[in-house]
Amino acid sequence: AQSVSQHNHHVILSEAASLELGCNYSYGGTVNLFWYVQYPGQHLQLLLKYFSGDPLVKGIKGFEAEFIKSKFSFNLRKPSVQWSDTAEYFCAVKVVREYKLSFGAGTTVTVRA
Amino acid sequence: DAGVIQSPRHEVTEMGQEVTLRCKPISGHDYLFWYRQTMMRGLELLIYFNNNVPIDDSGMPEDRFSAKMPNASFSTLKIQPSEPRDSAVYFCASSFWDGYTEAFFGQGTRLTVV
Repeated sequence: AQSVSQHNHHVILSEAASLELGCNYSYGGTVNLFWYVQYPGQHLQLLLKYFSGDPLVKGIKGFEAEFIKSKFSFNLRKPSVQWSDTAEYFCAVKVVREYKLSFGAGTTVTVRA
Repeated sequence: DAGVIQSPRHEVTEMGQEVTLRCKPISGHDYLFWYRQTMMRGLELLIYFNNNVPIDDSGMPEDRFSAKMPNASFSTLKIQPSEPRDSAVYFCASSFWDGYTEAFFGQGTRLTVV
């Protein structure tokens, strides 16, 4: 079955540490890829997106992600996290010419001051 | 644009009552999605519409759930009768899916069925 897998359920780290969240998908064909962030009690907001072109995508708040087609992966990174990055992070995949946006289970990131 | 607007933000109802959740998509977006978020199941796609027409409702959990989109600027998700296990946050999202634009999410409706 087609799916989106996020490797970590909960990540705890200290301020200034580097963050990497894994995301793999099992869809065949061309895909669009997204990372959304959900701060406590809020709605989902887009961090970054990949539709085509440069597989290294830069988003808001210092986040970036790399699309590696051969590995079906779209991992999210941030070199130095802040306390305000505490949130839940969702990877999402949409197959081109289809319309369903499917989400991974989410990773809760807790940044300790 | 004010973004995707959902109402109410919070809803507490008794088991067996009818609940109606509302969504106003971003003007011009031709795709509208309803998602449910729970701790156990994460984000689940319930149904989506294209140009006001329901395209895929395979995620709707039971016949107690129904959704309509009478026009391009309004959609409802109805649960009748409601049950405690329906308690969740329900999100509405809209998009162009033009090859450049992401899906935008509303603030969500937190539903509690007691």
